[in-house]
Amino acid sequence: DAGVIQSPRHEVTEMGQEVTLRCKPISGHNSLFWYRQTMMRGLELLIYFNNNVPIDDSGMPEDRFSAKMPNASFSTLKIQPSEPRDSAVYFCASSLGSGGVNEQFFGPGTRLTVL
Amino acid sequence: DAKTTQPPSMDCAEGRAANLPCNHSTISGNEYVYWYRQIHSQGPQYIIHGLKNNETNEMASLIITEDRKSSTLILPHATLRDTAVYYCIANPTYNFNKFYFGSGTKLNVKP
Repeated sequence: DAGVIQSPRHEVTEMGQEVTLRCKPISGHNSLFWYRQTMMRGLELLIYFNNNVPIDDSGMPEDRFSAKMPNASFSTLKIQPSEPRDSAVYFCASSLGSGGVNEQFFGPGTRLTVL
Repeated sequence: DAKTTQPPSMDCAEGRAANLPCNHSTISGNEYVYWYRQIHSQGPQYIIHGLKNNETNEMASLIITEDRKSSTLILPHATLRDTAVYYCIANPTYNFNKFYFGSGTKLNVKP
C-alpha cells in the first residue's frame, strides 16, 4: 500500500484565496483525521471522520474551514478565504477502526503558506 | 483525557539505550498510553502502546509503572535516525483515538 497520500505537498497562496487540501486514506481504513501543526500550537486535531461521517469538528478553528469526505477513499480540507495565520503544515491520517486501539497512519503533510 | 508531562529535550549517545520518561499521574483505568514520534518535517509515526503491562515490539519497549502514573519508552540501541520528537499520549479507547499530542521530547542522538 502507498500509505496516506496528500496533495499538494506545498501550497503558496495569497490572502483571501481559496485553498483545498486533499487526502487519500489507506484502503480499508474507516477513520480519517485532519491535523494542523504550527510552531506555536504544536499538532492539533481539526476534525475526524468515521465511515465518511464527521464525528467531531470541534477543532476546526472557524467557519472559514470546512472538510468533506464524499467517499471512503477521498477527503478534502478547504479554507475560504485564507489568511496568513492559516500558514502551517496540515496532516491527514487514517486508521483501521473507529474505536479501540488503532494505530493512526499519517501522510507526509501539506505545507501551506498564505502571503 | 489525562494530561502527560515530558521533558522538552534529551541527549543520547549513538548505540546506547535511550530512556524517555512520561508522567501521566491523572490517567484513568480505561486510558492507554501511546507513543508516537515525528522525525523532522515528516508525519508522526506510531511506536508502541500499552495499558498496564510492559510491552515490546521491534522498535521499542514500553515500561509502565504499577500505579500507571508514569511510563518510560526505551529505544535499546539508539541510532542517528532515531533523532526526533517523541510524543507520549494517554487516550481512552472509546474516544475514537482523539489524540492530544502535546509538546513531546526532542531526542538528540549524537555520534
